[in-house]
Amino acid sequence: QQQVKQSPQSLIVQKGGISIINCAYENTAFDYFPWYQQFPGKGPALLIAIRPDVSEKKEGRFTISFNKSAKQFSLHIMDSQPGDSATYFCAASKQTGANNLFFGTGTRLTVIP
Amino acid sequence: DADVTQTPRNRITKTGKRIMLECSQTKGHDRMYWYRQDPGLGLRLIYYSFDVKDINKGEISDGYSVSRQAQAKFSLSLESAIPNQTALYFCATSDFGTNEQFFGPGTRLTVL
Repeated sequence: QQQVKQSPQSLIVQKGGISIINCAYENTAFDYFPWYQQFPGKGPALLIAIRPDVSEKKEGRFTISFNKSAKQFSLHIMDSQPGDSATYFCAASKQTGANNLFFGTGTRLTVIP
Repeated sequence: DADVTQTPRNRITKTGKRIMLECSQTKGHDRMYWYRQDPGLGLRLIYYSFDVKDINKGEISDGYSVSRQAQAKFSLSLESAIPNQTALYFCATSDFGTNEQFFGPGTRLTVL
């Protein structure tokens, strides 16, 4: 069963618009929530991550919003650019012990010029 | 990421053949992982290793085996390949005490 559910599967946004990708998890033991970005022909790379002691983390145009009570988190890309076109994966894990990442199913983002 | 390399990058094989995918890293990380990526299914963990003497099964280990030959090398074997093992395979590494994983460029495997 999918430990982390991600939506939408694909997203098309105009340049300058806001891209929003949502994820939900069930395991309350998870306490680390990263987002990975993958360009065609490349491996995923860490984009931004959040821990549950904060409700929001911002790095440049990328923001994670975290709702612990709802067990949901989302990625917002402000002023989306064509260079942001990629596949985005959310993930969750525990910070200690067997801290394996459980990935969502991915969102393919296309930003139209 | 040039610090994590995978060979081969592409492989076409036939049902029943034994296949080995290799991963090497120069990051000095203790932990290494093998994932497969399928459209609509995301990344799923096959095996992981926290050091040379520690090997663990992931979510989908059936039909696969691994070998950790050294801290820097972690190989994935398909003993008898089948068509539903056609996928993109990624190796990743992480340092002890951290959560960030660094991925290799992937191996595209096709089993006919």
